[in-house]
Amino acid sequence: KQEVTQIPAALSVPEGENLVLNCSFTDSAIYNLQWFRQDPGKGLTSLLLIQSSQREQTSGRLNASLDKSSGRSTLYIAASQPGDSATYLCAVNSGNTPLVFGKGTRLSVIA
Amino acid sequence: DGGITQSPKYLFRKEGQNVTLSCEQNLNHDAMYWYRQDPGQGLRLIYYSQIVNDFQKGDIAEGYSVSREKKESFPLTVTSAQKNPTAFYLCASSMDRDQENLFFGSGTQLSVL
Repeated sequence: KQEVTQIPAALSVPEGENLVLNCSFTDSAIYNLQWFRQDPGKGLTSLLLIQSSQREQTSGRLNASLDKSSGRSTLYIAASQPGDSATYLCAVNSGNTPLVFGKGTRLSVIA
Repeated sequence: DGGITQSPKYLFRKEGQNVTLSCEQNLNHDAMYWYRQDPGQGLRLIYYSQIVNDFQKGDIAEGYSVSREKKESFPLTVTSAQKNPTAFYLCASSMDRDQENLFFGSGTQLSVL
């Protein structure tokens, strides 16, 4: 059964710092991997989707990488801003079952 | 505007009572999902439906029931058999079972009186 782990559980950084969030998964036979953002008391918003054949995807200050063979993905946030404060979740799609989510990393960017 | 709407935003349940959470989408999506989120936890799948009049149990279906009589609607009933219902409930939809371009509602917080 696929398991998704996110480390660290919480992270606090000063504004302007570059940071990396980590996601690992136990079964490398995946279809794609997605990163989501969740603000407190809100639903999730999709940030980036990486297909299993891709190595990375970029959107603005966000860059997500995927190393399928090692079961890892990273979300890189450049020049962090207070508005980036949220919980970031990764989710793995194994193709024939619904997404499996990690518990998320709660990010605080301090002005 | 296309989107997915959950109601109510807050809901209180008395012991022994069944309550129903509403989820409506106007995105013409075939697949719909219900997740439960506890504080500091990820999302756990309760039920999902990939087509009208069909649905499957997720990882934590006990104490919950759903129906999918219309494409745009996927209500979730929290029954009295669910002994620990306090949680944040999220509904989502996607065009198909691949779950790419997954859209989420804004959630319902259910609490027990």
